[in-house]
Amino acid sequence: TQLLEQSPQFLSIQEGENLTVYCNSSSVFSSLQWYRQEPGEGPVLLVTVVTGGEVKKLKRLTFQFGDARKDSSLHITAAQPGDTGLYLCAGSSGTYKYIFGTGTRLKVLA
Amino acid sequence: SQTIHQWPATLVQPVGSPLSLECTVEGTSNPNLYWYRQAAGRGLQLLFYSVGIGQISSEVPQNLSASRPQDRQFILSSKKLLLSDSGFYLCARSEGGWQDGYTFGSGTRLTVV
Repeated sequence: TQLLEQSPQFLSIQEGENLTVYCNSSSVFSSLQWYRQEPGEGPVLLVTVVTGGEVKKLKRLTFQFGDARKDSSLHITAAQPGDTGLYLCAGSSGTYKYIFGTGTRLKVLA
Repeated sequence: SQTIHQWPATLVQPVGSPLSLECTVEGTSNPNLYWYRQAAGRGLQLLFYSVGIGQISSEVPQNLSASRPQDRQFILSSKKLLLSDSGFYLCARSEGGWQDGYTFGSGTRLTVV
């Protein structure tokens, strides 16, 4: 059974701080995605990474796919209250299905 | 537009009652459709997925079933709800490529009492 463990589970930081969220598995994934979810809404796709070692940037967010394609990280620079939400990673082994991680709940205080 | 419509947004049902949640999608034809359940503030558990009309794959044995009577309609059902069926149910679509992301609906919050 493929599992994606995210850490930390909860994170509360002050506006302007930097943070990193991790997504780890013992399985290899063909691609990995990151989503952000607001309360009472469905997750919204942020990025897809497909190549081992790949780094993608989305404004203040930097995503990295591990060289072995078993893990990923999300780094946020100078966090803002608008970054508050539940961050989810999701991996696919090349099928129609994505396995979702356990989630990291981020709260950025003004 | 790859819009997904889910209803109702919230639902409170007694134990033992039936359930029907509907998801309809707009946009390209023959999308892959998915039902996920989310425990409070946590990750998503895949329940069912469908790659075409009448085709349903079940991921977790449980009290629920799914059907796809039309290309852009996906229904989640139960004959008798259990307390453990409470949760946030999300419908999602993808366009077939495994590198494509999901587009999610806005979800249904189900509380079984």
